[in-house]
Amino acid sequence: DVKVTQSSRYLVKRTGEKVFLECVQDMDHENMFWYRQDPGLGLRLIYFSYDVKMKEKGDIPEGYSVSREKKERFSLILESASTNQTSMYLCASSHRDKDYEQYFGPGTRLTVT
Amino acid sequence: AQSVSQHNHHVILSEAASLELGCNYSYGGTVNLFWYVQYPGQHLQLLLKYFSGDPLVKGIKGFEAEFIKSKFSFNLRKPSVQWSDTAEYFCAVNLYTGGFKTIFGAGTRLFVKA
Repeated sequence: DVKVTQSSRYLVKRTGEKVFLECVQDMDHENMFWYRQDPGLGLRLIYFSYDVKMKEKGDIPEGYSVSREKKERFSLILESASTNQTSMYLCASSHRDKDYEQYFGPGTRLTVT
Repeated sequence: AQSVSQHNHHVILSEAASLELGCNYSYGGTVNLFWYVQYPGQHLQLLLKYFSGDPLVKGIKGFEAEFIKSKFSFNLRKPSVQWSDTAEYFCAVNLYTGGFKTIFGAGTRLFVKA
């Protein structure tokens, strides 16, 4: 059974803080993704990675960066958190050549005050 | 630009009612199509998928979806909903534009009255 875990379910940070969101998958998937989920907007892709040390911008990368030093781990970094980054953040992973089905983590609800 | 539209943001049904959630996409090339479901407090999980072959696909928990290529649609159906189907449903399209990309719709919140 594929498992994608995220470091926190709930997080509260202050404006200007640096925030790290961690995601780990245990299925040796090549692809990993970070989305934010907002009511009425669905899931919007922030960044994705198709291999270690590789990263690609998604649709809304501004204000975020990512790191993929190991295959199983994909980190999302908010360099200086702002209130408009209050959201639910979802991590997902998929096998490169199989089905393109994505497996999702439980999400991190981040509140920036 | 490619996009995925879900027609209803909120749907309220009584138990045993039939369900149809609309999903349309804008892209002229080959697509892979998905419906994901997120039950309250749970992960997003795959409900069903279409890659090729029979355009009527069956998923878990009695759900099915029909791909109509001429209408760029992939509507989700269930003949008789249950209270436990209360969830948010997301349509997603995987397409190739120089690299594979998955686009999600805005989601439809379904509430089933017991």
